[in-house]
Amino acid sequence: DQQVKQNSPSLSVQEGRISILNCDYTNSMFDYFLWYKKYPAEGPTFLISISSIKDKNEDGRFTVFLNKSAKHLSLHIVPSQPGDSAVYFCAASEQTGANNLFFGTGTRLTVIP
Amino acid sequence: DTEVTQTPKHLVMGMTNKKSLKCEQHMGHRAMYWYKQKAKKPPELMFVYSYEKLSINESVPSRFSPECPNSSLLNLHLHALQPEDSALYLCASSPLAGGTYNEQFFGPGTRLTVL
Repeated sequence: DQQVKQNSPSLSVQEGRISILNCDYTNSMFDYFLWYKKYPAEGPTFLISISSIKDKNEDGRFTVFLNKSAKHLSLHIVPSQPGDSAVYFCAASEQTGANNLFFGTGTRLTVIP
Repeated sequence: DTEVTQTPKHLVMGMTNKKSLKCEQHMGHRAMYWYKQKAKKPPELMFVYSYEKLSINESVPSRFSPECPNSSLLNLHLHALQPEDSALYLCASSPLAGGTYNEQFFGPGTRLTVL
């Protein structure tokens, strides 16, 4: 059973506009959430994270929003750039330390120049 | 050095072969992980090592045998694999600082094909 879901397998956005990638989770014990970006033939690259005590975390062009009551998080990229084209994975974790990351199925973002 | 390296990048093996995948990090991380990723699927955790000790084994078949010789190295020994084991095998590491959340940093993966 998929505990972390990304319901949009793909998203196309014009360069300079905002990209919004969504993620839902079912396990209320998750308290740490991460976004990874993956290019073909490469491992996932960590982008940004948020703990459950916050509802927003920002790093440059990337902002993650967390809505705990809805068990929903989103990644906003603004402005989007062609180099942002990749597969984005949402991941969630229950506890600190060495632990299992539960990944979503990914969303392929294409930024059109 | 802020990366996780994996060798080989590609591996083709027969079902009777024995081979090993290697992973190395020099970031001082004390947790290391093996994940398996099939096409169009998310990475799935196989094993976790904390302070060089196996802490999580996600019911992985015994034809996969992990080894952590020291805090920088992680191996995955493969024997008598099946064609359905063909996948991208990802290694990751994290700092394991007590009481804080730890991002996992991934290597580029080994693309394994079992014939």
